Amino acid sequence: DIQMTQSPSSLSASVGDRVTITCRASQGISNYLAWFQQKPGKAPKSLIYAASILQSGVPSKFSGSGSGTDFTLTISSLQPEEFATYYCQQYKSYPYTFGQGTKLEIK
Amino acid sequence: QLQLQESGPGLVKPSETLSLTCTVSGGSISSSSQYWGWIRQPPGKGLEWIGGIYYSGSTYYNPSLKSRLTISLDTSKNQFSLKLSSVTAADTAVYYCVRWVDYWGQGTLVTVSS
Repeated sequence: DIQMTQSPSSLSASVGDRVTITCRASQGISNYLAWFQQKPGKAPKSLIYAASILQSGVPSKFSGSGSGTDFTLTISSLQPEEFATYYCQQYKSYPYTFGQGTKLEIK
Repeated sequence: QLQLQESGPGLVKPSETLSLTCTVSGGSISSSSQYWGWIRQPPGKGLEWIGGIYYSGSTYYNPSLKSRLTISLDTSKNQFSLKLSSVTAADTAVYYCVRWVDYWGQGTLVTVSS
């Protein structure tokens, strides 16, 4: 299985900050990477697929980049509703695997 | 707007079979190139890909669950389903149905307990 490792596991930030979350794959996955946002008690929401393509309706303050083994999710000008847990997932090969999650908390 | 809704028992006894159905509305489950899947999340933990099925009926299962797992389509009802046999407490989780990679159901908690 391809292992996905996110860093950091948790992150404290303030409203208005710009933050970056990193996701590393244990082997190359080209750009077969998705990012999800999950709020407590809710289903995950798809943000980005193919490493950098925003899902319909997702604001451009979210951006993704990377290819191969190293990927990033950047959120600019954090708003209160964006404090959540973020997951990356590879879909290059089965079984699809997720990172362990990054919990973004208000400082 | 596509919508997915999971349904099934919220409590299953150990060694029995967990059965869930995902009803899709706002679109056809048999439209070409669509991929439907199941993902679960144990309480307080991360996400695990269970498996999926293409519109054609081809299935892909997580090897860790493959011997116990069946995923199928019912195009007449616009539904797909999951059956996981011989469950244990480790199968307790919120189960989500998804249209890969964009739409998720709200999730349903299944507890395995006697």
